[in-house]
Amino acid sequence: DARVTQTPRHKVTEMGQEVTMRCQPILGHNTVFWYRQTMMQGLELLAYFRNRAPLDDSGMPKDRFSAEMPDATLATLKIQPSEPRDSAVYFCASGLVLGGRNQPQHFGDGTRLSIL
Amino acid sequence: EDQVTQSPEALRLQEGESSSLNCSYTVSGLRGLFWYRQDPGKGPEFLFTLYSAGEEKEKERLKATLTKKESFLHITAPKPEDSATYLCAVQARETSGSRLTFGEGTQLTVNP
Repeated sequence: DARVTQTPRHKVTEMGQEVTMRCQPILGHNTVFWYRQTMMQGLELLAYFRNRAPLDDSGMPKDRFSAEMPDATLATLKIQPSEPRDSAVYFCASGLVLGGRNQPQHFGDGTRLSIL
Repeated sequence: EDQVTQSPEALRLQEGESSSLNCSYTVSGLRGLFWYRQDPGKGPEFLFTLYSAGEEKEKERLKATLTKKESFLHITAPKPEDSATYLCAVQARETSGSRLTFGEGTQLTVNP
């Protein structure tokens, strides 16, 4: 089965360091999503792309977070500088949007980020 | 603003003891309601999509139903391997693109 691949699976770093998370969406999917999951907030949408163009990044703290899709096989989420409150599990999901009924989003297994 | 509320927060069942999970939603025109299963340390795994009131979907011991205000995930004769967190999400018709709003989830434990 095709899967969304995220790297790294775990990341521990000190406050102030730059963190880059990567995602390889399922081949043929045209929409990529970044979510953050915490015990307090559950799953929150940070940003998403359609055909590599950013559609919505309103869930993302813009002063420190940035999301890009350099090509159709790679999405990145970067935090600079990182803060302890950024500690969470970050999920990437991809899906296929075809006008009327959207196909379900398929998730990777996440990057567990700890900022000390 | 779209809202999704799941209940109960946690549910413990004995193997074979059937039950239902609830997902109540408020959305400005429903495009779709999605159920996911999440195991510890893993990403959510897609289970079902429901599009209109009255629709039902089944997969093994799980059946999802939809009304205009809520969805139920019925679990018949559950087994320990059904233990997981079950997430419900809605997609609004007016949403640009295909963003989902998730509920907090129901953590299900099935004891042997």
